[in-house]
Amino acid sequence: SQTIHQWPATLVQPVGSPLSLECTVEGTSNPNLYWYRQAAGRGLQLLFYSVGIGQISSEVPQNLSASRPQDRQFILSSKKLLLSDSGFYLCAWSGDFPSSYEQYFGPGTRLTVT
Amino acid sequence: GDSVTQMEGPVTLSEEAFLTINCTYTATGYPSLFWYVQYPGEGLQLLLKATKADDKGSNKGFEATYRKETTSFHLEKGSVQVSDSAVYFCALSDPYNQGGKLIFGQGTELSVKP
Repeated sequence: SQTIHQWPATLVQPVGSPLSLECTVEGTSNPNLYWYRQAAGRGLQLLFYSVGIGQISSEVPQNLSASRPQDRQFILSSKKLLLSDSGFYLCAWSGDFPSSYEQYFGPGTRLTVT
Repeated sequence: GDSVTQMEGPVTLSEEAFLTINCTYTATGYPSLFWYVQYPGEGLQLLLKATKADDKGSNKGFEATYRKETTSFHLEKGSVQVSDSAVYFCALSDPYNQGGKLIFGQGTELSVKP
């Protein structure tokens, strides 16, 4: 069966420091991968998605970036964190259209920027 | 563009009460519809789905019917439990127009009291 992992689970970082969050998927190949942010309240904002290695689409302009160095690895990065980057970051994967397009989410990373 | 609108929360119910969370959508294509649930501090879990008109998705006592004529996908449960307390998200995926990305509603918080 497929599983998705995220780490770290929680992170406290000062303003201006770098960031690297990692997401890996097991039990499937060539998944579509997604990064979401859930700020205070409950709304989900899609940040990036990837349909293959090295292919990244950005949904919103910001100081974050994403990379997909391997088929089942998705990394969210920042060179300098802002206070507004605080939130709950969720990684998700889905199969290839049209066979399966529901998304499955990881446990999330709680980021607090101080 | 495509959008999802959910009823405002929080919703507070007593145990064994009947639950309805309203969800309506706007889409130019033929979307698939989903309900996700998020328990405190966790990622999202797929609760149920429906891929075409008149389909009924069901899981763990929850049901939702894809109503194309009213563009709705309301979530129902006949008898809620304290363990159902969570945030519920309605979402759509319209592969032909959005590349399979999920469009989420704003979430509805459910609190069930014993």
